Amino acid sequence: ETGVTQTPRHLVMGMTNKKSLKCEQHLGHNAMYWYKQSAKKPLELMFVYSLEERVENNSVPSRFSPECPNSSHLFLHLHTLQPEDSALYLCASSQGRGLGYNEQFFGPGTRLTVL
Amino acid sequence: LAKTTQPISMDSYEGQEVNITCSHNNIATNDYITWYQQFPSQGPRFIIQGYKTKVTNEVASLFIPADRKSSTLSLPRVSLSDTAVYYCLVSNNTDKLIFGTGTRLQVFP
Repeated sequence: ETGVTQTPRHLVMGMTNKKSLKCEQHLGHNAMYWYKQSAKKPLELMFVYSLEERVENNSVPSRFSPECPNSSHLFLHLHTLQPEDSALYLCASSQGRGLGYNEQFFGPGTRLTVL
Repeated sequence: LAKTTQPISMDSYEGQEVNITCSHNNIATNDYITWYQQFPSQGPRFIIQGYKTKVTNEVASLFIPADRKSSTLSLPRVSLSDTAVYYCLVSNNTDKLIFGTGTRLQVFP
């Protein structure tokens, strides 16, 4: 148990669907992250929320929309995705405001397939 | 664009020491270096972090030369359970968080 849970673990969706990924951390951390992990590519940072405010966008397409209602929950809303968006989406949390200074705790990820 | 590069894969045998090097030529003064381990169907897990010289904890050592353009993760006496992908990360406190390409370590009996 890593303390960070993600649901669903697997998701298959069509390009016209709307779905949401959910992340919950039980560690009392105040920063949460969304990453995209594609085959043969490094982990790509998508969004960072610190104290529930978004601090890093990283030029992610608008078809990905994050939401952080409180410090324990993070969502990634998906709409009109493309097949190249198929990947493992990882959520992480950390304590402290430093973007990359603090140890990040990752969830198991959601394997997304866009048809 | 800053890049962080690693060997794609490495093989080792149980009981050997494994050294994985990461190249980060554009590292900045405020950047730290962190290493993560990832098993299949799991998220990455923190191993060790450092800024310069040498850092050691209960599972690994991290060697960073004076110019800080590279770093080496050292795993003493690996076992089969160390088979995983290892990522280096170069990051600062504000706007940089760059993972390396990952090194797939295979440990044989």
